[in-house]
Amino acid sequence: EAGVVQSPRYKIIEKKQPVAFWCNPISGHNTLYWYRQNLGQGPELLIRYENEEAVDDSQLPKDRFSAERLKGVDSTLKIQPAELGDSAVYLCASSFPRQGAGGGELFFGEGSRLTVL
Amino acid sequence: AQKVTQAQTEISVVEKEDVTLDCVYETRDTTYYLFWYKQPPSGELVFLIRRNSFDEQNEISGRYSWNFQKSTSSFNFTITASQVVDSAVYFCALTEGGYQKVTFGIGTKLQVIP
Repeated sequence: EAGVVQSPRYKIIEKKQPVAFWCNPISGHNTLYWYRQNLGQGPELLIRYENEEAVDDSQLPKDRFSAERLKGVDSTLKIQPAELGDSAVYLCASSFPRQGAGGGELFFGEGSRLTVL
Repeated sequence: AQKVTQAQTEISVVEKEDVTLDCVYETRDTTYYLFWYKQPPSGELVFLIRRNSFDEQNEISGRYSWNFQKSTSSFNFTITASQVVDSAVYFCALTEGGYQKVTFGIGTKLQVIP
């Protein structure tokens, strides 16, 4: 079974340029997450989708970040314009539909490492 | 608010030594879930274990074992007879019941020296 697929793996851009990251979750996983991981830190949630609906985007900097999950499968995270502080690894994860209360295990992609110069 | 503290930022051990990674959590919920994930140099976080707040039984899986103590709000992870392949960053994480937001600690970088 294919895992969570992300692209690109690496991206280097000048500040003020736009950038987009793509994620294809595991088939059948209706919950999709975007996390940002700064160097030496744990992942921090940016946005969580249940199917097409963004159910938690409270940590997404909406002035420059946007995300979409059309058709409830693939997702794209965009930054426009990028700033120096956006340099980080952007992780996509997916999980099975919720069964009862609480969270299940997350399946992560390898991440997209962004460097903003 | 939920919080996860991993006080050890880096640990180095010699191969075959045992090592324990500490995790202390804070939550106001009585129902919650604790996790450990491993992040090898390739970058992909890999799920290791999930434990709910009503199950304080310790668990052993091969060379890995987990000690969950609600009295001290800790969920520690021990690797017995460490191997070089265990070198990675290990994250402890917490989800409060009924809500799927996962909060991660900052991670503990483990280096196993041959």
